[in-house]
Amino acid sequence: DGGITQSPKYLFRKEGQNVTLSCEQNLNHDAMYWYRQDPGQGLRLIYYSQIVNDFQKGDIAEGYSVSREKKESFPLTVTSAQKNPTAFYLCASSKARQGQGELFFGEGSRLTVL
Amino acid sequence: EDKVVQSPLSLVVHEGDTVTLNCSYEVTNFRSLLWYKQEKKAPTFLFMLTSSGIEKKSGRLSSILDKKELFSILNITATQTGDSAVYLCAVELNTGFQKLVFGTGTRLLVSP
Repeated sequence: DGGITQSPKYLFRKEGQNVTLSCEQNLNHDAMYWYRQDPGQGLRLIYYSQIVNDFQKGDIAEGYSVSREKKESFPLTVTSAQKNPTAFYLCASSKARQGQGELFFGEGSRLTVL
Repeated sequence: EDKVVQSPLSLVVHEGDTVTLNCSYEVTNFRSLLWYKQEKKAPTFLFMLTSSGIEKKSGRLSSILDKKELFSILNITATQTGDSAVYLCAVELNTGFQKLVFGTGTRLLVSP
């Protein structure tokens, strides 16, 4: 079955450490996205990529970095520069052309900074 | 600033009740409005609406968009405990990529 796989599901980190969240999709989608979800707030876009080897900052990119070396993979690194990294992180993908509408989401990764 | 507001923030109903969830928006360049259901982790797609007045329906769920008044509603009839979830409304902007602006969601609890 096609879908999006995120790992790890739960992650704990000490302050000052970088962590990388994995996102893999086998839907053959060109576009991939990272969102952050906090209680009482809507999903906010961190980074997106419409094609391999290209990515763009979203609304809250500070303290995060990404890469897109393969179509299937879009890992997110939460760096020590991110001031409030504890959150639920969702990866999504879609067909590249605008107007396709539907984003497919992974199961999410919950990061807790101790 | 683009904004999507959902109401109520949460509600509790009994099985069999009908519920209406609201979504209003103020955005600079509207393309479509989408509804998602988030039960535990991954949001799942429900509807995409682009035209006013045309109801989208799937089983007990239906949704409609009013582009003049800038809002959408999601109706769930004969609710079941399996409908308990957070319902997310998102507006897709007419930009160079698929930019979605999400509301905070409505948490629905259906009690048996």
